[in-house]
Amino acid sequence: KNEVEQSPQNLTAQEGEFITINCSYSVGISALHWLQQHPGGGIVSLFMLSSGKKKHGRLIATINIQEKHSSLHITASHPRDSAVYICAVGSGGGADGLTFGKGTHLIIQP
Amino acid sequence: SAVISQKPSRDICQRGTSLTIQCQVDSQVTMMFWYRQQPGQSLTLIATANQGSEATYESGFVIDKFPISRPNLTFSTLTVSNMSPEDSSIYLCSVPRTGTSGNTIYFGEGSWLTVV
Repeated sequence: KNEVEQSPQNLTAQEGEFITINCSYSVGISALHWLQQHPGGGIVSLFMLSSGKKKHGRLIATINIQEKHSSLHITASHPRDSAVYICAVGSGGGADGLTFGKGTHLIIQP
Repeated sequence: SAVISQKPSRDICQRGTSLTIQCQVDSQVTMMFWYRQQPGQSLTLIATANQGSEATYESGFVIDKFPISRPNLTFSTLTVSNMSPEDSSIYLCSVPRTGTSGNTIYFGEGSWLTVV
């Protein structure tokens, strides 16, 4: 069973700062997801990665398959980015459920 | 994009009772997943619901406690049976989807259950 570790668990930063959240996993995967969870519990998919790098707006996600490591970056952070960011991995090409990290609780202060 | 309607969004339940959570997807999907998120914990897969066959349960979860129905390709229910305070959690359904921009995954809004 895959073990997914995220760091940091909690992060408080000032508006405008560059944010990095890290994720490492123990077993080879078919895909890695970065998810955003807001206080009400709803979860939104930000990225799905199997290799390389993806960018969407101020968010950038990278993955290194050899090192079993991924990072999520937020540039020019804003208070509305405050949420829990979750890394999740899948190993069945979409046919299996995901294994989740415990999440990183991010607070961006104005 | 897929839209999943999940209900109830929130409920307070009496110990010993059962509650059924529903997920309706706006298009046909082969696989649906049910997850549980206990307070302060990561999401954990309960089971995979496939249309036309029995759900596949993960270690630690059994059909008697979490019966699942999947009557068609757009709908599934998860029942939490004989509830105890340890069942207080957020329950979420999820579907994978392949689109023009690649593969992604969609989640229902979550059902926040408190057992008293």
